[in-house]
This record gives sequence, structure tokens and C-alpha cells, in this order.
Amino acid sequence: AQKITQTQPGMFVQEKEAVTLDCTYDTSDPSYGLFWYKQPSSGEMIFLIYQGSYDQQNATEGRYSLNFQKARKSANLVISASQLGDSAMYFCAMREGINGAQKLVFGQGTRLTINP
Amino acid sequence: EAEVAQSPRYKITEKSQAVAFWCDPISGHATLYWYRQILGQGPELLVQFQDESVVDDSQLPKDRFSAERLKGVDSTLKIQPAELGDSAMYLCASSLGTLAQETQYFGPGTRLLVL
Repeated sequence: AQKITQTQPGMFVQEKEAVTLDCTYDTSDPSYGLFWYKQPSSGEMIFLIYQGSYDQQNATEGRYSLNFQKARKSANLVISASQLGDSAMYFCAMREGINGAQKLVFGQGTRLTINP
Repeated sequence: EAEVAQSPRYKITEKSQAVAFWCDPISGHATLYWYRQILGQGPELLVQFQDESVVDDSQLPKDRFSAERLKGVDSTLKIQPAELGDSAMYLCASSLGTLAQETQYFGPGTRLLVL
């Protein structure tokens, strides 16, 4: 079974609009971390935001916020006031367990295109 | 700002040739990772080092791939012989340690094309 599922292969959004990128995950471990990365066409994976399974509040980092719904096992990324530079691939990833020997597992990604 | 360095950025080779990629992690980061990313997919872990020791190489095709981190700092990933299916982006990442919440920081990657 897929541990990370991103159901939106592509998203097209007008500049300055908010956008939500979906991510659902599958784990039976009570301790896990969820990450979002941005990958521009240059190829580098850029860390955006982190949410721990025991965190009581949704994570926020500038224009990025994570809509964490633990019971539904979803961790959607919300980008407010989108900019042309936000056009990129976005990956959701999960790491299970307290001990980091467990590897980071990525989803298939969502290609976001911001239209002027 | 500290970054993960990788070289080369691009590599074109013919099948059956040997290729090597180099990675220098962020200073002080004990954990180093090599990922392979096939076009249109998310990265998949090939090997994870804690200092100079291998923590996880379960997905590394050991008949042709090898990785080392001799002094626990920089690392080399080698493929010999290269096959057409090895064409991909090879990403190196590092983190302070191995706790689950620790962020992995990625380098710019090496794009490999095998002809």
C-alpha cells in the first residue's frame, strides 16, 4: 500500500489566489513526521514545512501552512497569496517512528503552475 | 547559509561505463542520504549513513552500486557498470542526526543520462 498519496498530478492557479495541495498518508505508528518539499525545475528539493504527529497546532511558515487532520490521515499544504515563483513540483513525505532509522518516504508529487 | 554540495551537476555516459557522484553535506551533519529520483516520481532512498557507518542500504542495487563515507564527512556514490535504467536524478541530503523530526536538507542533485 502507498504510504503517501498525492492525488493531484497537476494544479493550475491564478496568481495571488490561495492553493491547497492534498496529501494523505498511511501508518500505524503513533509517532511520525510529515514534511513538504518544493522542487523547482532546477532540481533541488527545498524544505517548506514540518508537522509532527504529536503537535497540537497546525504548522505555519510564512505563506505556507499545513492543514493537519490526524483522524483523516491528511496533511494538506496551503499556500496563501500564490506567486509566479511558486510554480514547481511539490512533494509530501513521511518519516515514521521516533528513531530516525526509518526512511523518509515521498509521494508522487503535484505539479503546481501559477498563471499571471 | 550552509548548503549541501554535489558534483557534477550533469553527467552523460554510455552504458557499461563507470560513473561517480560526490556529496559534501552541511558542516556538522552526522547523517547523509543518497536518493534516486526517476522522472515523474518522488525520490527513493538508496543509502543512509550515520557518520561513516551505513544505516540503511536495503534499496541499493549492490551488484552495481556502491557508496562510501570514509571519514564521516563527504561521500561518493558509484555505479559500475551503468545501465540505461540508471538515468535519473541523484540527490544527496544531510541532517543533524537521525531523529524522525529532523529536517533533511538536499543538494542540487546530479542529473545522469546513460546512452
